[in-house]
Amino acid sequence: DVKVTQSSRYLVKRTGEKVFLECVQDMDHENMFWYRQDPGLGLRLIYFSYDVKMKEKGDIPEGYSVSREKKERFSLILESASTNQTSMYLCASSLVIEETQYFGPGTRLLVL
Amino acid sequence: AQSVTQLDSQVPVFEEAPVELRCNYSSSVSVYLFWYVQYPNQGLQLLLKYLSGSTLVKGINGFEAEFNKSQTSFHLRKPSVHISDTAEYFCAVHNFGNEKLTFGTGTRLTIIP
Repeated sequence: DVKVTQSSRYLVKRTGEKVFLECVQDMDHENMFWYRQDPGLGLRLIYFSYDVKMKEKGDIPEGYSVSREKKERFSLILESASTNQTSMYLCASSLVIEETQYFGPGTRLLVL
Repeated sequence: AQSVTQLDSQVPVFEEAPVELRCNYSSSVSVYLFWYVQYPNQGLQLLLKYLSGSTLVKGINGFEAEFNKSQTSFHLRKPSVHISDTAEYFCAVHNFGNEKLTFGTGTRLTIIP
């Protein structure tokens, strides 16, 4: 079974803080994704990566950056957290980019 | 550009009744289609997918969906729902030649005992 884990289930941060969200997958998948989920908006892609050190912008990359130094780990960075980044963040991975994505349990981030 | 429309944001259904969750997409090229389910306080998991072949696709937990190319639809159905089907359901589309999966806004299915 594919397992995708995220470093925290719940996180509370203050405006202006630098925030790191970590995601690890154990199935040697090439592709990894970060989404944010908001009520009524569904899932929106922030960034994705198809290989180590490679990254591509998704639909809403502003205010975020990512890092993929190892194949199994994909980090999302909020350079200076703002209240409008309060959301549920979901990480996913896939073997082939157009195929099934496997999701982690999500991190619910509250920025005060 | 691809887009996905889930017409109903919330669907209440009595237990053991049938349900249909609607999904329409827009695309000018061939697509792969997916339904994902999100149970309370969990991530998403794959319910079923259409890649090619038979247009009627069967998934987990008794769900099925039919790909209708002429109507650009991929509606999800179950003949008899159970309390455990309470969840949010997301339709998603992947266009050939596009690296991204586009999700609909989700349908919250509530089962009434």
